[in-house]
Amino acid sequence: GAGVSQTPSNKVTEKGKYVELRCDPISGHTALYWYRQSLGQGPEFLIYFQGTGAADDSGLPNDRFFAVRPEGSVSTLKIQRTERGDSAVYLCASSLTGGMGETQYFGPGTRLLVL
Amino acid sequence: DQQVKQNSPSLSVQEGRISILNCDYTNSMFDYFLWYKKYPAEGPTFLISISSIKDKNEDGRFTVFLNKSAKHLSLHIVPSQPGDSAVYFCAARDFGNEKLTFGTGTRLTIIP
Repeated sequence: GAGVSQTPSNKVTEKGKYVELRCDPISGHTALYWYRQSLGQGPEFLIYFQGTGAADDSGLPNDRFFAVRPEGSVSTLKIQRTERGDSAVYLCASSLTGGMGETQYFGPGTRLLVL
Repeated sequence: DQQVKQNSPSLSVQEGRISILNCDYTNSMFDYFLWYKKYPAEGPTFLISISSIKDKNEDGRFTVFLNKSAKHLSLHIVPSQPGDSAVYFCAARDFGNEKLTFGTGTRLTIIP
């Protein structure tokens, strides 16, 4: 079966622009996570969805970052007024229900470069 | 504040020998630990996990050991194979919290 997919795989934008990053989780997975991995670092949690609702958005760095999952499947991470420090690989993961002990399956990531 | 630490950025091991990757944590609320493996241009892939009620979990060539008193875990790979060359991330989660906290990773290179 298909794994987690993310589009685009690469995105280059200019400082100040708006970007949208898309995540298609594994079919049937109700839990969806966004992480960000900067160079030389491990993935850092951004936000967790259970169904359509954001159950934990404590990792979003500021109000320029927003994510939605309107139908409980595909999710979009939106970044307004991008800054050079937003350059990173944005990873999406999904798990069946989000329960303890469940594996989070990661997509290949979107590499964002802000010039 | 780095709650999960992998102090060795890189490790080289001869093929067939044992690879030992280490991880330390500071948050005593963590009760579930995972190791992920990452190849270039791919997302992290789950490898093995351990609950805090155990001190060892084994899956084929991979064994994870947990020392709660020392807040330390390690991943043993034996025998090491060339396909094991990748970056390995240690991750942890605390009870009732869905997010994973990752270490900075260790790049393992298996020398043929």
